[in-house]
Amino acid sequence: DAGITQSPRHKVTETGTPVTLRCHQTENHRYMYWYRQDPGHGLRLIHYSYGVKDTDKGEVSDGYSVSRSKTEDFLLTLESATSSQTSVYFCAIGGSSYNSPLHFGNGTRLTVT
Amino acid sequence: SQKIEQNSEALNIQEGKTATLTCNYTNYSPAYLQWYRQDPGRGPVFLLLIRENEKEKRKERLKVTFDTTLKQSLFHITASQPADSATYLCALPWGARDDMRFGAGTRLTVKP
Repeated sequence: DAGITQSPRHKVTETGTPVTLRCHQTENHRYMYWYRQDPGHGLRLIHYSYGVKDTDKGEVSDGYSVSRSKTEDFLLTLESATSSQTSVYFCAIGGSSYNSPLHFGNGTRLTVT
Repeated sequence: SQKIEQNSEALNIQEGKTATLTCNYTNYSPAYLQWYRQDPGRGPVFLLLIRENEKEKRKERLKVTFDTTLKQSLFHITASQPADSATYLCALPWGARDDMRFGAGTRLTVKP
């Protein structure tokens, strides 16, 4: 699976609590992405990173922040989780040219109650 | 605003037939387009890429076409098998750094 590990794989949390999801890669790829996947909406880009400490917003970034202090780790934080953030979150690496398709992790299923 | 539409949420076909999935887009002028396969509980897996100057691309039983005038890509699986049952996603590059935007996917079921 292209050396991408997401943790945790499943999490249940309460509204208003902070949550951090972790993506770890062993491919030394410059670009990393966080997507969320919901029925009827498909995959939507939350944030992405194009290098250490370099990040940018995607389509649905409100309520999320990210950090990348090392090439191999990309963290997604929900500062105060809401029920609308219940989703499956996927991390991906690769991209930024047609020569480099995306490789995805197996996702984190987050439930906010 | 940019929009990517995949023709239907679900497609059911009989084993051995050809499955045809559609990806339409508006307000994009992509230099290329990608197709991915996703199995339940797993992340998407890259299948094929087709560039804007390529009309057709093949890989084993898979064929992709790209019509930039119609703003449409067709994805064909010939001689379909139950193991081809999955959700198929198209993706287009967007923005200065080519971040990939995805359609909602089509869930294909191949019945024996």
